[in-house]
Amino acid sequence: DQQVKQNSPSLSVQEGRISILNCDYTNSMFDYFLWYKKYPAEGPTFLISISSIKDKNEDGRFTVFLNKSAKHLSLHIVPSQPGDSAVYFCAASAQSGFGNEKLTFGTGTRLTIIP
Amino acid sequence: NAGVTQTPKFRVLKTGQSMTLLCAQDMNHEYMYWYRQDPGMGLRLIHYSVGEGTTAKGEVPDGYNVSRLKKQNFLLGLESAAPSQTSVYFCASRYRPGHTYEQYFGPGTRLTVT
Repeated sequence: DQQVKQNSPSLSVQEGRISILNCDYTNSMFDYFLWYKKYPAEGPTFLISISSIKDKNEDGRFTVFLNKSAKHLSLHIVPSQPGDSAVYFCAASAQSGFGNEKLTFGTGTRLTIIP
Repeated sequence: NAGVTQTPKFRVLKTGQSMTLLCAQDMNHEYMYWYRQDPGMGLRLIHYSVGEGTTAKGEVPDGYNVSRLKKQNFLLGLESAAPSQTSVYFCASRYRPGHTYEQYFGPGTRLTVT
C-alpha cells in the first residue's frame, strides 16, 4: 500500500519556466511533509518542508503548497535552472502521533531542465 | 563536520556471503536509519534506531540485521546475501522529535550480489 504517491516518474521543463512536481498521500495522520532532491551517485538532500498548519511555504525559488482536503502537495520551482535536474522525492510523517520517528517516501520524479 | 558517512561506497558479493555496512554521523543525532533504493520503488526503510542500544524494524527488514552500540554509529548486516539485495543503501540520521524533522543522508553504498 503506497501511502505517498508521485504519479509522474519524469518531467521535462524548459529552462526559465516553472516546474511543478506533485505528490499525493492517503494517510490522514500525516501532518508534516518534506521534499528531497537527489543527484546521481549522491544521497538525498533536504530541500523544503511544510507543516499541516500551513498551506504554503516558500524558500527562494522553491515553494511547497499543501491542500489537506485533497491530500495533495506540490513543489513549484521558479525559474527552473539546469542545476535543478535531479530526482525529487516527496516524504511524509505523522509528527504528532505514532510513527513520528519515520518518514514515508514517494517513488520520486525525475526532473530534467532543458537548456 | 563530515555529516553522515558510509563505508564502503561500493561492494560486490557472491550469493551467500555476508557483509556489514557502516554508517557514522558526527551531528550528535539521536535517530538513525537504513534505507534501500531500488528503481521505481523510492526509498524504503529497512531498520531504524531511536537511540543507542535500540533498534526497530522498518518496511523491508527481512534478510538484514542492525546494531547501534554507539550513538554515532549504525551498522547494517547481511548474513547471507541474495541477488534480491542488490540495491543502493542509504543511511540517514536526525534529531529526536521536537527539533528539526528532516533526515540527513549519507552518500550511499552500491551493493551488487551475484
